[in-house]
Order: sequence, then structure tokens, then C-alpha cells
Amino acid sequence: NAGVTQTPKFRVLKTGQSMTLLCAQDMNHEYMYWYRQDPGMGLRLIHYSVGEGTTAKGEVPDGYNVSRLKKQNFLLGLESAAPSQTSVYFCASRPQGAGSHEQFFGPGTRLTVL
Amino acid sequence: DAKTTQPTSMDCAEGRAANLPCNHSTISGNEYVYWYRQIHSQGPQYIIHGLKNNETNEMASLIITEDRKSSTLILPHATLRDTAVYYCIVYSSNTGKLIFGQGTTLQVKP
Repeated sequence: NAGVTQTPKFRVLKTGQSMTLLCAQDMNHEYMYWYRQDPGMGLRLIHYSVGEGTTAKGEVPDGYNVSRLKKQNFLLGLESAAPSQTSVYFCASRPQGAGSHEQFFGPGTRLTVL
Repeated sequence: DAKTTQPTSMDCAEGRAANLPCNHSTISGNEYVYWYRQIHSQGPQYIIHGLKNNETNEMASLIITEDRKSSTLILPHATLRDTAVYYCIVYSSNTGKLIFGQGTTLQVKP
């Protein structure tokens, strides 16, 4: 199993450009999450999904949109990128149900907005 | 969401036990203590979690005080590869959200 993968690994955008980050998981997990991490800080939750076709806002949702059309994929969109969105973006997933709520993280996407 | 307080940084000698403290004085009865670590800007990695009882797995031990207001993560024999940022997180299954603080940077030295 590949686990959680993220595409692309690196990206440089100009202010105002748009882009979509792709997160894919092959573990059949119900829950998926998008976080951002700024230098020297912990991760902050942007949006999350509790199942195919559902999305919900996290701590810092402004400037981002998400879609979960397929269970295995969770897309994060930036419609008009701003320098404040320069960050490392992590995706995570976890299964539904009782027991451990361990989240499995991807390797991250490093985004720079000029 | 309950907040946690951790020291900013700690050092540990290779081969010795690393004891990482965490205060979570506002934790609610149904909230868990989770520990993750992040090695050199990789994605965070789950270590261990607990509710009331002490827990142990192949990576670490988690000691939670009786009043649940603080806990300690123990890496019994730290290696250089354990150098990382360690996050203590109070987790509510009601919200399903991990709220990360700034964590403790553990430096394991030869």
C-alpha cells in the first residue's frame, strides 16, 4: 500500500494564480483532512471530510475550497493564491469507527506564492 | 478544545530515556491524550494515545497522572533517529479534530 500520497511535492505560484493539490489514500479511509504548517508552527486544520461527498471547515478555511468526489481522493483548491498561503500542506486520513483515531499523514506539498 | 503546554525544547543523550512532559489542565473526561512526532518536516507520525490508564507500545510509554491534568511520553532508549518535534494533543472524538500546538523539539545527542 502506498498509504497517503500528495501531488505535487513542490510548487511555486504567482499571486492571483490558482491551483489544486491532490491527496490520495489507498486504505479505504472514511475521514480525510487538509492541514497547513507555517515555519516553526504546529499544523492547523483547513478543511476535512467525513466521507465521500462531504466537506467541513476547520480552523483556517478562508481562501481554500475542497472537494471529495471519490472516497480515495481529497482535493484542496486555491482560487487566487496570496503570499500568506505560502506554507507546507499536509493531507491525512483515518478510518471510521471505534478504537484508535490515528491519522495517517502524507509527505506534504511545499507551496510558495510570490 | 483543551490546550496543551509543552517545553519548547529538550536534549537527551543517546541510549538514555527521554521523558517529554505535557500539561493539559483543562482536559475533559471524554478527551484523549495523543502524541505525534514530526521528523525533519515530514508528515507527522502517530506514537501513542491514552485516556486514563498508562499505555505502552513498541515505540513509547505514556504516563497519565491520576487527575489527568498532565502526562509524560517516555522513549525508553532514545536514538539519534528520535530527534524530532513531539506534539502532545488533546483529542475529542466528538469533534474528530487534532489541534496541534508548537510541540517540543527533542534533540538526541551522541
